[in-house]
Amino acid sequence: DTAVSQTPKYLVTQMGNDKSIKCEQNLGHDTMYWYKQDSKKFLKIMFSYNNKELIINETVPNRFSPKSPDKAHLNLHINSLELGDSAVYFCASSQAGDPRGQPQHFGDGTRLSIL
Amino acid sequence: AQSVTQPDIHITVSEGASLELRCNYSYGATPYLFWYVQSPGQGLQLLLKYFSGDTLVQGIKGFEAEFKRSQSSFNLRKPSVHWSDAAEYFCAVVPPGGGNKLTFGTGTQLKVEL
Repeated sequence: DTAVSQTPKYLVTQMGNDKSIKCEQNLGHDTMYWYKQDSKKFLKIMFSYNNKELIINETVPNRFSPKSPDKAHLNLHINSLELGDSAVYFCASSQAGDPRGQPQHFGDGTRLSIL
Repeated sequence: AQSVTQPDIHITVSEGASLELRCNYSYGATPYLFWYVQSPGQGLQLLLKYFSGDTLVQGIKGFEAEFKRSQSSFNLRKPSVHWSDAAEYFCAVVPPGGGNKLTFGTGTQLKVEL
């Protein structure tokens, strides 16, 4: 029943490790996003994919690599994790086209803690 | 610089009191405007949106917002706050010509006193 689901909900790991976060949406949307929310609750877009194609790529270290195997999934892989990567990562989705009519639906977030 | 600003980091209101959360934007043209709410441990839920037309928009959970072009503002209001409204509230914009790229304000944390 969940519209946008992310796994895992919590991820605790050590510096230098590689980890992945998975996201799936069952809304039939064409566009998916990754956002990062820092410790001060500030939200910033990282990536956006439309029908498996990258359309937004903010200034994100290339240790972060999104992968979209199909339009219902957008996974985030992070190499060589650093302390500053500790944050909550949100996946979202929307229908393509005019954003006025297609608001973004968010998952519940993945809280990543780097030890 | 182009931005969206929420001047109040924290607001505390008593249950049953009215609420107004402020949001200002700075863009050459009117962006698309949104308010989202984030309950603890949850994702963001859309409360309402504005892009044109009637400047007073109604949203879910009894919230409304008024767009004022002259003040570059899109303030969120609720006539009577419930304890369950305690959450973080984010104003967000899609800048003119910005595609689907949501830019968020820094958020306002609402506490409700019983």
